[in-house]
Amino acid sequence: DQQVKQNSPSLSVQEGRISILNCDYTNSMFDYFLWYKKYPAEGPTFLISISSIKDKNEDGRFTVFLNKSAKHLSLHIVPSQPGDSAVYFCVGGEIQGAQKLVFGQGTRLTINP
Amino acid sequence: SQTIHQWPATLVQPVGSPLSLECTVEGTSNPNLYWYRQAAGRGLQLLFYSVGIGQISSEVPQNLSASRPQDRQFILSSKKLLLSDSGFYLCAGNKARSSGANVLTFGAGSRLTVL
Repeated sequence: DQQVKQNSPSLSVQEGRISILNCDYTNSMFDYFLWYKKYPAEGPTFLISISSIKDKNEDGRFTVFLNKSAKHLSLHIVPSQPGDSAVYFCVGGEIQGAQKLVFGQGTRLTINP
Repeated sequence: SQTIHQWPATLVQPVGSPLSLECTVEGTSNPNLYWYRQAAGRGLQLLFYSVGIGQISSEVPQNLSASRPQDRQFILSSKKLLLSDSGFYLCAGNKARSSGANVLTFGAGSRLTVL
């Protein structure tokens, strides 16, 4: 049972344009969502989070939108830069218990110069 | 700030051989610790988590085991490796909350190839 789904395995965007990465989830018990960024042969690094009671969170070039009724969230990166090329993971989490995080399959973002 | 150390970074092992991957944490006391695996072309799968010394929870039935002999040490083991154990293994620990979210810090990962 894939609780967090990233249906686009890859995305290619021109430098300077907006990158939009999408994510759907099935577990309505998630209290928050995270986005992680991962370079090859490295561990993921935390990018931005959003509480399930919010619909938007912004941090510099990164904005995450949450549509709870549609069980959908998206990460917007604007403007996109070559250093943004990486795999992005959408993650759902619950505050209760051991706070296990559920990762999506990831989307490989490539920023073209 | 919290730092996760993992070793070895790369490992090539024959089928049937034992495995030991080690993870240590700096900068945090009593963290929750996690072992994840990333198989080729797939997302991160949670294998084990630990909320304290000697406390291990397994998420999926498998050929691997985990132990937490000390507060800041988490070990992933196998007595006999299978080909399907190949993958990229990541240790993670929880950091301070960000608006209630459990933000994990990850190690650099250990690439295991079983031949």
